[in-house]
Amino acid sequence: SQTIHQWPATLVQPVGSPLSLECTVEGTSNPNLYWYRQAAGRGLQLLFYSVGIGQISSEVPQNLSASRPQDRQFILSSKKLLLSDSGFYLCAWSGVAGSVHEQYFGPGTRLTVT
Amino acid sequence: AQSVAQPEDQVNVAEGNPLTVKCTYSVSGNPYLFWYVQYPNRGLQFLLKYITGDNLVKGSYGFEAEFNKSQTSFHLKKPSALVSDSALYFCAVRDADKLIFGTGTRLQVFP
Repeated sequence: SQTIHQWPATLVQPVGSPLSLECTVEGTSNPNLYWYRQAAGRGLQLLFYSVGIGQISSEVPQNLSASRPQDRQFILSSKKLLLSDSGFYLCAWSGVAGSVHEQYFGPGTRLTVT
Repeated sequence: AQSVAQPEDQVNVAEGNPLTVKCTYSVSGNPYLFWYVQYPNRGLQFLLKYITGDNLVKGSYGFEAEFNKSQTSFHLKKPSALVSDSALYFCAVRDADKLIFGTGTRLQVFP
C-alpha cells in the first residue's frame, strides 16, 4: 500500500530564515505530487504541483519554491520566510497524469513564522 | 474554468439525525467530483468520488453523495450523524491534473 510522509510535523522559524519542508511517497511510482497551504484551518491554496522529476508548475507567485529531485520526493523551500508564510502545509499525491485519481494527503506541517 | 461552491460555512445537526453538506459545481465537460474530510491538525482524507455511472455514490464511514446533473450539485449525505463526524468537509472538482477545492463546510454534530 502507499504511504505519504511529511516532516517536520511542526516548525517555528523567525522571519527571514530559510525553509525546507520534505514530502516523500512510498509504494507507488511516477505519482503526481502537490503542495498546498491552508491558512486559519480553512480553505486550501494550491502552491505547486509536479507530474514528473524536475517538472514543477507554480500556481501562485510568492516567496516559495518547490523541487522534485527524485520520483517520490517533493520539497518546498524558501530563502527568506515572511510572517505571511505561516500556515498548515499539506503534501498530496495522486495517480499518473491523464487518469482520474483522487489525491491522498500527508499529515501536514504546521509552520509558524515569528 | 472548473469550480465548486460550498454555500454553508457551518452545518449543525443532532446526533442520530440525517446530515447533508451541500456542494454545487461549474464545469465544462464531464464533472469529476470528490469529497474529503479533515479532522483538526490532520491531512485531508478521501471519502468518495463521482466519475460516471450511478448518481448515488457510496463512500467511507457511511457517507454517500448524490450527483444531480440538472441542479449541478453533489451533496454529501449520511442517514444518521455521529458526534465523531464533526470535522471540516471539502468538495472538489478535477481540473486537468489538479483538484479545485471548495472553501469547506464545518460540520458540528451535537450529542
